[in-house]
Amino acid sequence: EVQLLESGGGLVQPGGSLRLSCAASGFTFSSYAMSWVRQAPGKGLEWVSAISGSGGSTYYADSVKGRFTISRDNSKNTLYLQMNSLRAEDTAVYYCAKAEVYCSGGSCYPPRFFDYWGQGTLVTVSS
Amino acid sequence: EIVLTQSPGTLSLSPGERATLSCRASQSVSSSYLAWYQQKPGQAPRLLIYGASSRATGIPDRFSGSGSGTDFTLTISRLEPEDFAVYYCQQYGSSQYTFGQGTKLEIK
Repeated sequence: EVQLLESGGGLVQPGGSLRLSCAASGFTFSSYAMSWVRQAPGKGLEWVSAISGSGGSTYYADSVKGRFTISRDNSKNTLYLQMNSLRAEDTAVYYCAKAEVYCSGGSCYPPRFFDYWGQGTLVTVSS
Repeated sequence: EIVLTQSPGTLSLSPGERATLSCRASQSVSSSYLAWYQQKPGQAPRLLIYGASSRATGIPDRFSGSGSGTDFTLTISRLEPEDFAVYYCQQYGSSQYTFGQGTKLEIK
């Protein structure tokens, strides 16, 4: 059974830093790209960042580029999100999500969707 | 960045009725890269549809997806009480994923 368990959320002051973790189990972690998706209170979903299975490729939403860093430790089956220079608008529940593997006709392509999600961890940026 | 606009914002229907939810993209989206999710209060999103029209594992056949280019539709043929939730469309393009703002399906 696939399980994703986020941790590391909490209250932080504007300009502060926080590191989120996502412990994965039930699948071969290193074979799958992973993403972080956030949801501000009462709002919709916003994709934040993605990382390839090897960790060699990373991608960011414009809203967090230069402030957030995604990484992974495949030996520990854990995904991370280092968040610096936090702003009030970063307040949200942060979900980690497992991406599918999309291969067709002998070639592989970026994942099309997220098939498993954690329950999320709340980050509150406030003074 | 491709913007996804969902309509209506809120849809009020009764159990047994048919629901039609729309997702319109600001520019053409590959059908392969259009997905739909369901989210209930306090829960993580759940994948319903991928590739615009393929149901995810375990999703009942009352859920169906269609569309191409810039216009996509999620249809729920006969609403069950557990279907009342918020629905999001999602696309991938140019190394970025984007979600629509959501449609809330509420009981009338």
